[in-house]
Amino acid sequence: DIVMTQSPLSLSVTPGEAASISCRSSESLVYSNGYNYLDWYLQKPGQPPQLLIYLGSNRASGVPDRFSGTGSGTDFTLKISGVEAEDVGVYYCMQAVETPLTFGGGTKVEI
Amino acid sequence: EVQLVESGGGVVQPGESLRLSCVASGFSLGSYWMQWVRQVPGQGPMWVSRIQSAGGYTTYADSVKGRFTVSGDSAKNTMYLQMNSLRVEDTAVYYCARAAVGGGDALDVWGRGTMVTVAS
Repeated sequence: DIVMTQSPLSLSVTPGEAASISCRSSESLVYSNGYNYLDWYLQKPGQPPQLLIYLGSNRASGVPDRFSGTGSGTDFTLKISGVEAEDVGVYYCMQAVETPLTFGGGTKVEI
Repeated sequence: EVQLVESGGGVVQPGESLRLSCVASGFSLGSYWMQWVRQVPGQGPMWVSRIQSAGGYTTYADSVKGRFTVSGDSAKNTMYLQMNSLRVEDTAVYYCARAAVGGGDALDVWGRGTMVTVAS
């Protein structure tokens, strides 16, 4: 199975500050079509995960442009350009290049 | 509105069975790869199974292979997860989720989950 490793485990930020979360995979996430099969999710308290970024760098529908995803191969980063109060929760990366789909351990973002 | 609603969770003893349902609205379930993902409260999500019911394709995590069966009913626009020989370690919130078309299997729609507790 592909192991996904996130850092840091937690992040305490001030509203308006930038935040960055790292995700590393044990194998390349580049699919045969050249795309990186790496997604980012935010799970707010009491809710299911919600998709933020797909294929490494594409924002999902309705996701504010303060969220951006970069990276390729085995190293990926989620950046929030100016954290808002509604961004609190646990962020997960997930690889979808092969089954079993696997998630990172999560990064808890607090204000 | 595109929506997924799970049901069927509950409290059972080890070795017993449960069948979870996931009703889709706003889209045709058979046109997508549909997933089951579970999450122990306080831990990260874990992928369980997936199905592309139009083609009859299914895949399972090793930890549930041989015990869980995923299926779909296009007439009811519903996906099921039959869970047999349940173990204490199967205790979790079970979510169904849709894999986006053209999105590299990103999970773009999730249900709110149903809780399964396996305890003696």
